[in-house]
Amino acid sequence: GAGVSQSPRYKVAKRGQDVALRCDPISGHVSLFWYQQALGQGPEFLTYFQNEAQLDKSGLPSDRFFAERPEGSVSTLKIQRTQQEDSAVYLCASSKVRTRPYEQYFGPGTRLTVT
Amino acid sequence: DAKTTQPNSMESNEEEPVHLPCNHSTISGTDYIHWYRQLPSQGPEYVIHGLTSNVNNRMASLAIAEDRKSSTLILHRATLRDAAVYYCILSRNYGQNFVFGPGTRLSVLP
Repeated sequence: GAGVSQSPRYKVAKRGQDVALRCDPISGHVSLFWYQQALGQGPEFLTYFQNEAQLDKSGLPSDRFFAERPEGSVSTLKIQRTQQEDSAVYLCASSKVRTRPYEQYFGPGTRLTVT
Repeated sequence: DAKTTQPNSMESNEEEPVHLPCNHSTISGTDYIHWYRQLPSQGPEYVIHGLTSNVNNRMASLAIAEDRKSSTLILHRATLRDAAVYYCILSRNYGQNFVFGPGTRLSVLP
């Protein structure tokens, strides 16, 4: 079946521009996660949704970062007024919350480069 | 969150077994041990998980120490496609986000 997809795969933004990154989770997966991965580092948690509810946003680095999942399926991570330090790969993962412990299925990521 | 420590890198020869260690001395009784791997230019993928007993699946085996303060991921016959960064992660039984460390970069030599 179809896995987690993310678009665009690559995004180049000029400093100060706003960007929107899309995640299509596996159909029927209740939980959705966003992670940020800097070059050479492991992924770092940004935020977590259960259906349309954003239950944890403790990892968002600043108020320039905003995520939504209005219908409990597709999610969008928006970064306003991008800065060079926002350059990273942004990973989305989804899982079935009712299986314990649950496996997270990751998308290929969106590589954001801020120039 | 309990922390894990792994070697930065390891090398293996093709078709030989590989033992990837992970220390987690502050693990709590309800923490599961997960292993994920990340191939170049891809998102992480699930390898295996366990709680107390050793586990086997088609990809690998997970050996968990009796005191649960360490574990070892075993690839029985390394192939070139197994070259990746391997992450050892702990999570509570109710899941939520994973805390990734830098992982172990495995190189497989032909």
